[in-house]
Amino acid sequence: NAGVTQTPKFRVLKTGQSMTLLCAQDMNHEYMYWYRQDPGMGLRLIHYSVGEGTTAKGEVPDGYNVSRLKKQNFLLGLESAAPSQTSVYFCASSPPRGALRETQYFGPGTRLLVL
Amino acid sequence: KNEVEQSPQNLTAQEEEFITINCSYSVGISALHWLQQHPGGGIVSLFMLSSGKKKHGRLIATINIQEKHSSLHITASHPRDSAVYICAVNDNAGNMLTFGGGTRLMVKP
Repeated sequence: NAGVTQTPKFRVLKTGQSMTLLCAQDMNHEYMYWYRQDPGMGLRLIHYSVGEGTTAKGEVPDGYNVSRLKKQNFLLGLESAAPSQTSVYFCASSPPRGALRETQYFGPGTRLLVL
Repeated sequence: KNEVEQSPQNLTAQEEEFITINCSYSVGISALHWLQQHPGGGIVSLFMLSSGKKKHGRLIATINIQEKHSSLHITASHPRDSAVYICAVNDNAGNMLTFGGGTRLMVKP
């Protein structure tokens, strides 16, 4: 089991460029999440998904879009990157609805720098 | 929105010391999580609890629902315990986590 993987590990963008971050999990989890982590702010939820084909907004969704076309993948898109989106992005997944309150499993993170 | 506060923000201890990290939250929850983030950045879940106490090796987590407070204890601390410890709470719907700012722990030999 690879667990939760994220691609890429590191990326530098110029303001206005677009990119997609990929999260993949092989644990058959229903729930998937995208967080950002900034110094002094802690982790904050961007978007989440409770199943294939569904997405919902989290605490800081502006400037991001997501898609969950396949159960194992959760994509985070930045349409027009801004320096304020410089951050470390973590993806996580958690077990099916019956064990909803079980722990979340985190990916290794993607470090994004927007110039 | 739940406000999650951790204390202390930074903690330095000598090896073998008993360590306590505290977490308080403002609104009722369905569960509380303790996470560990190592210097390399990876995040690992340590505990998920909704009442009482859980123990795993040298780590003990307790929660008091009435007082909206949880503690993470590390017994016989070791330099490899050096990490950031993060408290997070599930809202009552269970879908979303709200995170504390973390406690940076350094254990010196």
